[in-house]
Amino acid sequence: AQKITQTQPGMFVQEKEAVTLDCTYDTSDQSYGLFWYKQPSSGEMIFLIYQGSYDEQNATEGRYSLNFQKARKSANLVISASQLGDSAMYFCAMREVNNNDMRFGAGTRLTVKP
Amino acid sequence: EAQVTQNPRYLITVTGKKLTVTCSQNMNHEYMSWYRQDPGLGLRQIYYSMNVEVTDKGDVPEGYKVSRKEKRNFPLILESPSPNQTSLYFCASSLFRTDNQPQHFGDGTRLSIL
Repeated sequence: AQKITQTQPGMFVQEKEAVTLDCTYDTSDQSYGLFWYKQPSSGEMIFLIYQGSYDEQNATEGRYSLNFQKARKSANLVISASQLGDSAMYFCAMREVNNNDMRFGAGTRLTVKP
Repeated sequence: EAQVTQNPRYLITVTGKKLTVTCSQNMNHEYMSWYRQDPGLGLRQIYYSMNVEVTDKGDVPEGYKVSRKEKRNFPLILESPSPNQTSLYFCASSLFRTDNQPQHFGDGTRLSIL
């Protein structure tokens, strides 16, 4: 069963505007971690932000923030003040305390328009 | 510089010709893993290793082998490659397997099996 769902295959945003990339997950573990990665056209995977299931506050890292709604099992990435360099694929991922792997969603391709 | 190094970055080869993709990390990480990335499917785990001499199958292990004789190295072996193994491959590592650890990725290896 799909554990990570990213429903937006592609998104467009105007430069300097904010954008939200959706991610929902499925787990029965109480302890888990949620991660977002960026994959630019050059192909490497860049770790952006982490949210723990027990964290009471939403994670933030510079222009990235994570809108964590535990009851809804969603962990949406918010990018503020988009830049042209934000154009990339974005992957949501989860690690569960009782599993040995990291599960990834199918990704969202973000395009920032000038 | 802390990094995960994969080689080669690109490889075109023919069906049935054994190949090895090397992976090395310099961060003294215990956990290492291999993923393949295919369009629309995100990243899927092939194999992982919790420590030296400890390896296990991920979601898509068929046609692949791994070994972990040293902590820093985790090669991926395709004994008899087939065209359906054409993909983008990533090696990744983290300090431990726990749910709060992001994985650090290599730059990827693009394999084409003709």
